[in-house]
Amino acid sequence: DAGVIQSPRHEVTEMGQEVTLRCKPISGHDYLFWYRQTMMRGLELLIYFNNNVPIDDSGMPEDRFSAKMPNASFSTLKIQPSEPRDSAVYFCASSLAGAAPLNTGELFFGEGSRLTVL
Amino acid sequence: AQTVTQSQPEMSVQEAETVTLSCTYDTSESDYYLFWYKQPPSRQMILVIRQEAYKQQNATENRFSVNFQKAAKSFSLKISDSQLGDAAMYFCAYRTMTTDSWGKFQFGAGTQVVVTP
Repeated sequence: DAGVIQSPRHEVTEMGQEVTLRCKPISGHDYLFWYRQTMMRGLELLIYFNNNVPIDDSGMPEDRFSAKMPNASFSTLKIQPSEPRDSAVYFCASSLAGAAPLNTGELFFGEGSRLTVL
Repeated sequence: AQTVTQSQPEMSVQEAETVTLSCTYDTSESDYYLFWYKQPPSRQMILVIRQEAYKQQNATENRFSVNFQKAAKSFSLKISDSQLGDAAMYFCAYRTMTTDSWGKFQFGAGTQVVVTP
């Protein structure tokens, strides 16, 4: 069974350009999360969706960041315009709903998208 | 809000030896999950072990085991017979079982494990 699929794996762009990161969650998962990882701030939750609906976007840094989930199998994280301080690894993760014992509670991560903004 | 603290930025261990990583957390909830994730240089986040708070028995997965002390809010990871492939950043994580906050997943800052031959 395929895991969480992210693209691109690496993105190098120039300041001011638009960046779009893509994610396909595991089929059947109800929750989708976007995280950002940097050395300085560690893993930060940006936004998460439940059944395609954004539940908490309080972690989105500013208006330059936006995320969408048009259907259960696809999500995007967009940065427009990008800045050098946005350079980071962006992870998408998905999870089932419901608590134990039916659900292990585990987050399944994609391989991440490394973004470098020059 | 729950917080997860990993007080050891880095731990070094020799091959075949044992290392223990500490993790403490703060919560007022009674039911929750605790996890240890491993992130090797490939940056893939890999689940190492999980523990449900309502379970008394400590979880084990091959060479990995936890010491879960619910009253003390402590969740340490022991890696036995360390191997070079265990070298990675290890993250402790907390997840509520409360439906209202189901999406909330708190990660610690991570502990870098260095394995020396």
